[in-house]
Order: sequence, then structure tokens, then C-alpha cells
Amino acid sequence: DAGVTQSPTHLIKTRGQQVTLRCSPKSGHDTVSWYQQALGQGPQFIFQYYEEEERQRGNFPDRFSGHQFPNYSSELNVNALLLGDSALYLCASSFLGANTEAFFGQGTRLTVV
Amino acid sequence: GNSVTQMEGPVTLSEEAFLTINCTYTATGYPSLFWYVQYPGEGLQLLLKATKADDKGSNKGFEATYRKETTSFHLEKGSVQVSDSAVYFCALSKRGDFTGNQFYFGTGTSLTVIP
Repeated sequence: DAGVTQSPTHLIKTRGQQVTLRCSPKSGHDTVSWYQQALGQGPQFIFQYYEEEERQRGNFPDRFSGHQFPNYSSELNVNALLLGDSALYLCASSFLGANTEAFFGQGTRLTVV
Repeated sequence: GNSVTQMEGPVTLSEEAFLTINCTYTATGYPSLFWYVQYPGEGLQLLLKATKADDKGSNKGFEATYRKETTSFHLEKGSVQVSDSAVYFCALSKRGDFTGNQFYFGTGTSLTVIP
């Protein structure tokens, strides 16, 4: 079992550009959540996808959008990048029907210059 | 609302010392509680969890007990090792209707263990 995999591992973008991050959930998991972890902080919930729909959303602007595919993989898109978007972006997968922990990927380190 | 407050670091201990990292939470209903660990340059790894009051989670010598009366989930280890050096996050999760668990994390406590 490969666990949760994210790509790319590191990314450098220029302010104003757009970025797409990708996540493949753990085998058997149907729910994907995205978190932003700024340096020295705890992860903050961005949104969650289940059955290809956004089910929950945290306090993030519309510049942050996502998608879930039929194979449960997911993308996080960020438009009009700001310097403050620099962070570690974590993907977490879980199974909707179980009240258990989420499994986290290694994250994508995004640097906006 | 839901939130987690954990002891600020950094914490520096000598090898074989006793570790306590305090964590308290605010939540509606009955959340599940977790401790995650993050090693440098890596994502989050689950350390232990407890899903109901008075449950004790344990793993690799670490323990935490879900105390509803004090809304706490303090992490303890009797004898730390250099390899325990990492950042520790306390978290709670709530499951909404027709949605999966959403996690609320504390700000993290950095632990350094010196030989």
C-alpha cells in the first residue's frame, strides 16, 4: 500500500501565477481533504471532497479551488498566487464511513516569490 | 467553535527525561482526539488517538488520556530518546453529517532531546 502520495514535492512559483497540486489517496479511501501549513504553525483546513463534490470548506478565499476525480484522486488549484500562499500543502485521505484518523501525505512545499 | 490549545515550545530535554506536552480542546459534541508527529521535512504521522472519554491512546511509549471533565489530552512519555526529536501536534476531529472528519490542529510543540 503506497499510502497517500502527493506531487510535486517542491514547487516555486511567481506571485500572480496559478498552481495545481495533486494527491492520490490511500487505497480504499474515498474522502480527500487539503490543509495548508504555514511555517511554524499547525495545519489549517482548506476543504474536503467526497463523491467528486466539495463537502466542507474552511476559511480560505475562492482563489483556492479543488477537484476530485472518479478514482478519488484530487487536485488543489490556487490562482493569483500571493507571497502569503507560501506553505506546506498537505493532503489527507480517509474513509467516510469510519470515524478514524486521516492519513496524511508528505506534502508539497510551495514557495511564492 | 472547535479549537485546540497546546503547550508552546520549544521544549528541550535530556535523554531519558520525562515528557509532558499539555493539550486542551474546545469542541461541541464528542470529538475524537489525536497526537500527530512531524519530523523535519516530512508530513504528519499519527502517533496515537482516542475516540471517547477516558480512552487511553498509546504508541511507542507515548500515552495520552481523553479527559472530558478537563477537556484535555496531554501527551506523556516516561523516557525520551534522541529519535523522539520532532514537532508534536494535538488535534481533534469532528465528523459532520454526510461529511468526513475535519481536523483542528494546535500550533505544534517542538521537542529536542539531547544526549
